[in-house]
Amino acid sequence: DAGVIQSPRHEVTEMGQEVTLRCKPISGHNSLFWYRQTMMRGLELLIYFNNNVPIDDSGMPEDRFSAKMPNASFSTLKIQPSEPRDSAVYFCASSSHRAYGYTFGSGTRLTVV
Amino acid sequence: DAKTTQPPSMDCAEGRAANLPCNHSTISGNEYVYWYRQIHSQGPQYIIHGLKNNETNEMASLIITEDRKSSTLILPHATLRDTAVYYCIVLNYGGSQGNLIFGKGTKLSVKP
Repeated sequence: DAGVIQSPRHEVTEMGQEVTLRCKPISGHNSLFWYRQTMMRGLELLIYFNNNVPIDDSGMPEDRFSAKMPNASFSTLKIQPSEPRDSAVYFCASSSHRAYGYTFGSGTRLTVV
Repeated sequence: DAKTTQPPSMDCAEGRAANLPCNHSTISGNEYVYWYRQIHSQGPQYIIHGLKNNETNEMASLIITEDRKSSTLILPHATLRDTAVYYCIVLNYGGSQGNLIFGKGTKLSVKP
């Protein structure tokens, strides 16, 4: 089991550019979560999907952020246009049932300059 | 609003038991207590969870008070690799998938 796979591990981009973060959940997991972590705000839930359907996106900070899950094995988080305040570590997690906990990926460290 | 209260930091000597407390005085009957930890620069890692009975697995033990208003995570023989931020979270088990909401956690430092 390769776990939750995120790419890229590190991303440095200029303000105004589009950024796409990718996540491959564990096979068989039907829920997927995107979190953002900063020193100031800690770990924040941005959005979660159940069976590929977005259930709650109330944590998405603004319209510049969008997330998709076209199939059970892939999800993207897109920021367009990016801003320096979007700099953070973005984590993806998946779960088959909360009884078994969530499995987190290694994260993508995004730096917007 | 945070549903749990944890001390911001704790120290523990290597090889000794680490006892991490958590207060969740407003917990409701259908909410579970979950513990996760985050080692520096890694994603959070699930440790254990419970409803009202004490639980034990290969990583830790979870002791929940009878009134369920507080709990303690026990790492029986802490090692340097257990240095991490530990999060106590209450989560509604019923209905659709609930969401993990992280507070500030307890930064545990295991010292040689």
